[in-house]
Parts: sequence; C-alpha cells; structure tokens
Amino acid sequence: EVQLVQSGAEVKKPGESLKISCKGSGYSFTSYWIGWVRQMPGKGLEWMGIIYPGDSDTRYSPSFQGQVTISADKSISTAYLQWSSLKASDTAMYYCARQRGSRYYFDYWGQGTLVTVSS
Amino acid sequence: EIVLTQSPGTLSLSPGERATLSCRASQSVSSSYLAWYQQKPGQAPRLLIYGASSRATGIPDRFSGSGSGTDFTLTISRLEPEDFAVYYCQQYGSSPPNTFGQGTKLEIK
Repeated sequence: EVQLVQSGAEVKKPGESLKISCKGSGYSFTSYWIGWVRQMPGKGLEWMGIIYPGDSDTRYSPSFQGQVTISADKSISTAYLQWSSLKASDTAMYYCARQRGSRYYFDYWGQGTLVTVSS
Repeated sequence: EIVLTQSPGTLSLSPGERATLSCRASQSVSSSYLAWYQQKPGQAPRLLIYGASSRATGIPDRFSGSGSGTDFTLTISRLEPEDFAVYYCQQYGSSPPNTFGQGTKLEIK
C-alpha cells in the first residue's frame, strides 16, 4: 500500500527555522517525484515545487523559489521542506504528494503538516 | 505560467442533481494534461480525474471529465451526500509550476 506520512504539527516564532518531512512507503521512492503543496487557512492549493529523490533534481514555482528548500534523503525514503527564517505568512497546511513524472498529476497525498508561525 | 480559472466559485445543488464545474486555462493545456481533485474539510485532496477524462482508481462512474485546449469540465451525474466538497483543477502539461485553479465549493442547497 502506497503511503506518504508527514511529520506532526509545528508551532514556531517568526525568524525561526523549520524542516518538515514526508516519508514514503509501499513503492520505489527513487522512481517517483515528490511535490509540496501549500494551503493557507481557508484558501486554495498552491503548487510549491517537486523533487526527484533518485537524483535530487528539483523544480520550484517562481513564487516559492528562494523562500523554501526542498530536499530528499533516498536512504530513508524521506523528502523535506525547510525554511531558514519563518514569517507569519508561512502559516498554512503543507501537503506532500507523489507524481510519476515531472509533468504529471499527484496520485497519492500525505495527511498534511500544519505549520503555525506566531509571536 | 498557465493560470486556471474555475467557475462558479460556489455551486449550490441538492442530492440527486447534476453538477457541472468549469476550469478555463489562460493558454492551451498540452496533451490534455489536466487533473481534478476533491477535498473535504480536514482532509487531503484526492485525485478524481487525470488526462482530462480518465477516472482515477476507485472513483465512481458518476464522476466524469471532459474538454481540451483551454476549456475543461468536471461533471457529477447524480450528486450523493458525500460529493459535497471543494473541487480543484490542476494543469501539469507545461514546465513547472503545475498550477491549480482556485477551487469550486459544491454545497448542499
């Protein structure tokens, strides 16, 4: 069974750093892309970027380039989304999801990680 | 970057009725690389349709997708109570970002 299990909710202060994770199981982790999607409170879905764990090829949305870093550790089948300096506007639910190719749809989704940034 | 515009923003219907949701792209979506997702409150999105018209595994046949180029439609033939949710379209045919539409909320009338 394909599963993407994300790390738990986080509460952080502005300016702090954060790294959230997404662990894949039930499939060949290095053969599929993992993407990250932001959903701000009460809002729609925003595509942030994707990574191919096989060779760490990474693509970002221009809206998120330079704001976050996507990485992966294929040895433990885990992808990451990280911030070096959080802002209140980063408060959102973040989903990871799997796709077969760089030009593909998301077929499996993680349960989401809620990030709250507040002073 | 391709911009997707969904309409209507909110659709109020009763169980048993037919729902028609629209997704319009700012430029042609290559090879009909368009997907539809359903999201219920407190849940992750779920893939319904890919390739504009192919149902994902386990999706009931009351859900159907159609369209090409810049105009796409998701149709739910007879609404069940569990179908009331928010629906998003996504294009994945161009270079990233693989943008989403802003969503259509399907609510019970």
